[in-house]
Amino acid sequence: SQKIEQNSEALNIQEGKTATLTCNYTNYSPAYLQWYRQDPGRGPVFLLLIRENEKEKRKERLKVTFDTTLKQSLFHITASQPADSATYLCALSPGGSSNTGKLIFGQGTTLQVKP
Amino acid sequence: NAGVTQTPKFRVLKTGQSMTLLCAQDMNHEYMYWYRQDPGMGLRLIHYSVGEGTTAKGEVPDGYNVSRLKKQNFLLGLESAAPSQTSVYFCASSWDRGNPVTDTQYFGPGTRLTVL
Repeated sequence: SQKIEQNSEALNIQEGKTATLTCNYTNYSPAYLQWYRQDPGRGPVFLLLIRENEKEKRKERLKVTFDTTLKQSLFHITASQPADSATYLCALSPGGSSNTGKLIFGQGTTLQVKP
Repeated sequence: NAGVTQTPKFRVLKTGQSMTLLCAQDMNHEYMYWYRQDPGMGLRLIHYSVGEGTTAKGEVPDGYNVSRLKKQNFLLGLESAAPSQTSVYFCASSWDRGNPVTDTQYFGPGTRLTVL
């Protein structure tokens, strides 16, 4: 069966450290994978997209890697701050490129950055 | 540019009552989606639309109906609410024809629905 899984437990780290979140998938061949941030009581907000032919993508303190052989994406936040505390969702397009825009979302990993 | 807006923000219904949730987007997006989000279940797609006048079923469509009479609006209806429909509902939209398709979705703020 098709699955997309993220660390189900909350991740607690100290301010200034690097947070690493994992997204694993099975039985999909996505053309790209996306990461979203969700704050309590709000809708998800798009952060980064990485294509299948890209190994790594960066945006300010964020870095995403995509390994289509391992079927895994890693999401890193360097020099983490308490303001980075949120739930992070990974999402992929089922069946590669789509003409419906549908995404399958992971359950999300809650990150808590302590001062 | 308001993005994606949802009405109402909160609602409490009694079992058997009906209601309609309204989603509006001002980004000229072709695709629109309704999700529900429950603790431990993540975002689950209820229905979606790939254009004005078209709708399709998602992962959990039972008990819901949708309509997309205008490109900018996507309505989600509950004909006879059940306690199992207590959830947070999110609307999202994606893709305007002037850009390559990336499936990046833009979400509304959500509607918190409680069915007693």
